This record gives sequence, structure tokens and C-alpha cells, in this order.
Amino acid sequence: KAGVTQTPRYLIKTRGQQVTLSCSPISGHRSVSWYQQTPGQGLQFLFEYFSETQRNKGNFPGRFSGRQFSNSRSEMNVSTLELGDSALYLCASSITYNSPLHFGNGTRLTVT
Amino acid sequence: SQKIEQNSEALNIQEGKTATLTCNYTNYSPAYLQWYRQDPGRGPVFLLLIRENEKEKRKERLKVTFDTTLKQSLFHITASQPADSATYLCALPDPGNTGKLIFGQGTTLQVKP
Repeated sequence: KAGVTQTPRYLIKTRGQQVTLSCSPISGHRSVSWYQQTPGQGLQFLFEYFSETQRNKGNFPGRFSGRQFSNSRSEMNVSTLELGDSALYLCASSITYNSPLHFGNGTRLTVT
Repeated sequence: SQKIEQNSEALNIQEGKTATLTCNYTNYSPAYLQWYRQDPGRGPVFLLLIRENEKEKRKERLKVTFDTTLKQSLFHITASQPADSATYLCALPDPGNTGKLIFGQGTTLQVKP
């Protein structure tokens, strides 16, 4: 079975721009979660989707949004990028909530 | 709010020894606890899940304990190898049973040959 795939792997953007990150979960997994990882804050939960519905949202500003498609693939969008948004963005899928997470290798976003 | 504490200092041990990592939590009693391994530049990889009614769980050279009285989990790697060098993260479910997983900051393990 293919693992969780995240694209792109690396991204460099300028302040004020917006960015869209993509995640393809493991086949059969209906839950997709997004996390932001920085050296100072560690892994911070962004949001979780199940069957195209956002079930949970972390404490991030409204500039961070996401969606899930009928095939369980998910995207997250960050608008009006700030320097502090530079981080590793990780997507994880699971069969259902409360199941172990299977992470992709992330998208490294650098905002200049 | 839920707080998870892992040793922030790196743990350096000699090959062949047992590595023991600690995860302490406060403010509630989780139904389970998970451990993940993360290598530089890669996403975390799930290792073990232990439930509140399980005192101990093993998988090959890995052993996890869960003491709900002390609010602590210990993660042991026996006969450690340089390939075990990585950051190890513990994670607990959000107290609101939302399905959200909260991660500790992780402990970096360095196994020297």
C-alpha cells in the first residue's frame, strides 16, 4: 500500500502570498489531519477532516484553511503568508479518528 | 489544558545499552497513549499504542509502560543500535475526545557505536 503523499516537498514563498499544499492519504483512510511543526512549538494541530467534513480545528488564525475531497484527498491553504508561517507542514491519515496516524514526509514551507 | 512533558535534553547512550525515555502528562486521564519516531526531514512514524488498562506493551526491542497513577509513560529500547537514533514523540488524545492527537516536544536519542 502506498503511504501518505504530500506535494510539493519544498516551497519558498514571499510574505503576503498564499500557498496550497496537497495530501493524498493511504487508500481506505477517511480521516486526514494536518499539523504544523516548528523547532520552538513542536507539532501543533491545525485541523482534521473526515468524509469531507472538518471535525476539529486547532488554534490557528483564519488564514489557515483546508478541505477534503470525496476521494479523501485533502488540501490546506494559507493566505497572506507571514514569516512565522515558515514550518514543516505534515499531513496524516488514519482509518478513523482515535486510530494511529500515518504521516507523510511533509511540505517544508519557507516564507521570505 | 492538557500538558505533555518529554525530556528536552538529548539522550546519549552507548550501543547495546537500554534507552529509557519519559513522557509525563497532566490534567486528565487519557484512554490511551501513543509513541512515534521521527527522523530528520521526515514525518513521524507510529510505533506503539498502549491503553489505560494495559500496564505494559512490547514490540520487538521496544517496551512501553503506562502508569495512570503517576501520569507517566516510559519508552524503552533494549539492545540499542545507532539506527535507533531519532526523535521520539509521545502523543495523547485531546481531553475533549475530539479525535485530535496532542504531541509532546519529543526527546532526541543518540546511540553511539
